[in-house]
Amino acid sequence: SQQGEEDPQALSIQEGENATMNCSYKTSINNLQWYRQNSGRGLVHLILIRSNEREKHSGRLRVTLDTSKKSSSLLITASRAADTASYFCATDPRGTTDSWGKLQFGAGTQVVVTP
Amino acid sequence: EAQVTQNPRYLITVTGKKLTVTCSQNMNHEYMSWYRQDPGLGLRQIYYSMNVEVTDKGDVPEGYKVSRKEKRNFPLILESPSPNQTSLYFCASKRTGGTEAFFGQGTRLTVV
Repeated sequence: SQQGEEDPQALSIQEGENATMNCSYKTSINNLQWYRQNSGRGLVHLILIRSNEREKHSGRLRVTLDTSKKSSSLLITASRAADTASYFCATDPRGTTDSWGKLQFGAGTQVVVTP
Repeated sequence: EAQVTQNPRYLITVTGKKLTVTCSQNMNHEYMSWYRQDPGLGLRQIYYSMNVEVTDKGDVPEGYKVSRKEKRNFPLILESPSPNQTSLYFCASKRTGGTEAFFGQGTRLTVV
């Protein structure tokens, strides 16, 4: 089953603009993670936000989490052509003893940054 | 260099011909997992393993087998591949208590 749903499915922006994508999920979670995937390659972990956190920053990335709405957003500021990739949210449902067996990914947002 | 290595990267095979995709990690991680990625569906978990000799089904285990005889290796076996198993497959690993999963580069499988 697909726990996370990203929105939009695709996003095209110019270099220097900000890119925002959203993730909605269905069940209570321990944490939510964002991963990046360059075309046809493996996923790379970007950032994790725990259920008791509301906002987190890492370099040009800003993640927010609203557990009441079961949603998260990923903001990439001052985007670069190298940010072109697909971005996935992954949720670790609450109730699992370790964040692995049930780590579930959404379908992803494809971001294209043009110079 | 810490990494998860999958082989082969590309494979075209015929229906019914048994195949194995290997996965090896050099980070001494306890957890390993297999995912398949299909357009519009994201990554779906096939099987995962919490440690040597401990495996469990994910969301889409039908048609697949795994084994975990050694900590570093977690092969994915398709006993009788069918065209609906044409997909991009990823192996991933994680240490106990960690949250970040490390992914291999992927294996693109085509079953004709």
